[in-house]
Formats: sequence, C-alpha cells, structure tokens
Amino acid sequence: SQQGEEDPQALSIQEGENATMNCSYKTSINNLQWYRQNSGRGLVHLILIRSNEREKHSGRLRVTLDTSKKSSSLLITASRAADTASYFCAWTTDSWGKLQFGAGTQVVVTP
Amino acid sequence: GAVVSQHPSRVICKSGTSVKIECRSLDFQATTMFWYRQFPKQSLMLMATSNEGSKATYEQGVEKDKFLINHASLTLSTLTVTSAHPEDSSFYICSAPGLAGDNEQFFGPGTRLTVL
Repeated sequence: SQQGEEDPQALSIQEGENATMNCSYKTSINNLQWYRQNSGRGLVHLILIRSNEREKHSGRLRVTLDTSKKSSSLLITASRAADTASYFCAWTTDSWGKLQFGAGTQVVVTP
Repeated sequence: GAVVSQHPSRVICKSGTSVKIECRSLDFQATTMFWYRQFPKQSLMLMATSNEGSKATYEQGVEKDKFLINHASLTLSTLTVTSAHPEDSSFYICSAPGLAGDNEQFFGPGTRLTVL
C-alpha cells in the first residue's frame, strides 16, 4: 500500500517556468526514483537517487534526497508543454526492487 | 533501454468472465516481474511479485485466488483476473527490473480493463 505523500497534488505553470514537487515516505529506503506517466500510458523512469546521495542532476531535472526528513524533491527547470504529465516518486526497501509509490503530482504546462 | 510489452492494451468483458493479461520482457530476461493496479487519478498500488518458476508473492489485501499470476518463462508473466466484476475495472501495469542492479524498473504500457 502507499506509504508516502506527494505535494502538490496538481501544479499548473507556463512554459519556461520551473516546476517543483515534493515526496515524503515513511520507511528506510534503498533508493528513491522518479517516474513520469502520460495520461493512460505506462511509466517512464526519470532519475534514481541512492540513499547515500543528496542531490542528482539529469538534464533539466534536479532531484534532492533528505533521508533524515524522509523526503525528496524533483525540480524541472525551464518547463515545456511536453512536460505535461503525472510525476510519481517511488522507493525500494528491499533487494528485490519492488516499488512503493507516492500519490503523484499532476503537472500541466501551458504554452 | 529494456522494453516491456503488455497485451492486450485494452479489454472489455462481461461480469463473471476471466481475463488474462500478458507481460513480456522483449530484449532481456526477467526472473522477477511486478504487477500494479492503478485506479483513475490515483497512484500505482503493488499487487504482487511474480517469480519465474515459483509461486507469486501477493501484497496484503490482494486475493491470490482472484488474481492468478503465472511466470512460466524468463520473459513472460501473466495475470488472470478471475470472475471479473465491475470493481476490478482498472489500469493494470507490469514492470521488470533492469539489469544494472540498481532497482530501476521498466514498465509495460499498461492494460485498461473494463468490466461491464
């Protein structure tokens, strides 16, 4: 079952602006990942941050992880209309890799 | 990257029928696959872990007799929703871990099940 939250639930911004979303979880984790889901489609892996890392970058994405607060944030810089999607954080707690998901943030980027 | 496919992408069935959903890893072998369910505008809920050559492991609250999982080969896992009812209507997604050992998951495109 879900054991975390994301905020905001929804975010509406204009192209060129930055989008920031936060994720909180309740257990110790091995790593935390962010995924994107376009409406009615499967998930696309965006970035993974390990429990011993604090920040990671990938293109226009910046992820932070604070294990003391059990929270992570995803920043999308210079957003584009194509970034419109739902974004989910997910974490693993065992070596098998099964994921627990946050509630998700629905992002709408208007041209 | 690794590719995971699902079939069918959409299925509509009558209440009481059984529906089988296939999940395939196309260019890699997966001894483990995961099945998730997603209701509209909600997050993904892990249903079960599918293990090649052994029984699936179900999450708490998921009926194993209702959702039959068979992982018959290193590239195929199937989920059968038995005696489906309207409340089983949902988006079912499978995933398989990549080969890098960092727990990155590769997700199938999902199957939209509608039970009338």
